[in-house]
Amino acid sequence: SAVISQKPSRDICQRGTSLTIQCQVDSQVTMMFWYRQQPGQSLTLIATANQGSEATYESGFVIDKFPISRPNLTFSTLTVSNMSPEDSSIYLCSAQLGTEESPLHFGNGTRLTVT
Amino acid sequence: GQNIDQPTEMTATEGAIVQINCTYQTSGFNGLFWYQQHAGEAPTFLSYNVLDGLEEKGRFSSFLSRSKGYSYLLLKELQMKDSASYLCAGLDSNYQLIWGAGTKLIIKP
Repeated sequence: SAVISQKPSRDICQRGTSLTIQCQVDSQVTMMFWYRQQPGQSLTLIATANQGSEATYESGFVIDKFPISRPNLTFSTLTVSNMSPEDSSIYLCSAQLGTEESPLHFGNGTRLTVT
Repeated sequence: GQNIDQPTEMTATEGAIVQINCTYQTSGFNGLFWYQQHAGEAPTFLSYNVLDGLEEKGRFSSFLSRSKGYSYLLLKELQMKDSASYLCAGLDSNYQLIWGAGTKLIIKP
């Protein structure tokens, strides 16, 4: 098991600004991921956070808009840049502790509202 | 394409049994997960099936049929705290998770 601390838990931001979300895992981690979840909808993978190198982005997500860092095994940040109201969503950090078949553990999410 | 289908919403009565179905189409298959997500909270892992059959874990059981591309989550002796969304996710040949939209389960007294 793992405890994933994600902050902030929520924020209200003005359009055009940026927000950085932090994620800290209390265990040794193999993989870290960032997801987005619109209310009542499925989880959408933004990117895989790679330790010490550039993140691997999914189709529709780019580094300029969602820069990600992972300076060590257990810590990652996601920045939502130049925000617009369409970026209003819940952003979830997740971590995998074992093999590729291991379940994901999730942080409690960051509820972002862009006005 | 890859796809996970599950009902949008289900209603059940406290103390009863409910079965949440999930059908999947993935490029290759490395297993199927069920997660529980209470409103405003993070998803939490419930079960993982990669072989055909039923796996029981207390009040919750999960079933898989690989030939039919089908799984279900069975919840027994329902409690009010079981009101949540239940997410089905398939793991494809590249170990990418394909997520369903979730089934919102409403438990009535």
